[in-house]
Amino acid sequence: AQSVTQLGSHVSVSEGALVLLRCNYSSSVPPYLFWYVQYPNQGLQLLLKYTSAATLVKGINGFEAEFKKSETSFHLTKPSAHMSDAAEYFCAVSTGFQKLVFGTGTRLLVSP
Amino acid sequence: EPEVTQTPSHQVTQMGQEVILRCVPISNHLYFYWYRQILGQKVEFLVSFYNNEISEKSEIFDDQFSVERPDGSNFTLKIRSTKLEDSAMYFCASGDRYNEQFFGPGTRLTVL
Repeated sequence: AQSVTQLGSHVSVSEGALVLLRCNYSSSVPPYLFWYVQYPNQGLQLLLKYTSAATLVKGINGFEAEFKKSETSFHLTKPSAHMSDAAEYFCAVSTGFQKLVFGTGTRLLVSP
Repeated sequence: EPEVTQTPSHQVTQMGQEVILRCVPISNHLYFYWYRQILGQKVEFLVSFYNNEISEKSEIFDDQFSVERPDGSNFTLKIRSTKLEDSAMYFCASGDRYNEQFFGPGTRLTVL
């Protein structure tokens, strides 16, 4: 079975500060890993994905994530937070054309 | 840019009534999914559909639930006799050959 753990239900940063959202996964087979963003009252938008190619993955809106097999981690980072980054972020794992298993989400709060 | 659409955006129903949630996936996708998100909780997988049949379903997807692709474009989720605990946001997703799932904006189901 696969699972995802997101540490921190809420993360607060100041505008311009580094954003770091943590995700650890568990999978018995090589995983595919995803980060999705959800703005209030909206659906899920894919930020980036890891599908066994480069371990450092760049996504939209300046976000990137690094797959670290030894640490079973896929943390999401952005060098400089913007007010518009305030949203809920979900890490998810799958093994291909199968279900996504989501973490519990991390709400990012950005203060001026 | 192609997108997944869902109707209605909000559905209010009485307990015990049947509801049908509709989704139009991206036209060249072959994999279809339903997820739900109870308010304040994580996104949970319900069912996946490929080649006109269910490929996987979760324990949530009991006999009260069914899915159908009636006309080659729509993808529906039916709940036969709704319960209070079915109140949630329901997301449809469709997937391409690159293991990426594209989500619709969701239908908020409220069961009274």
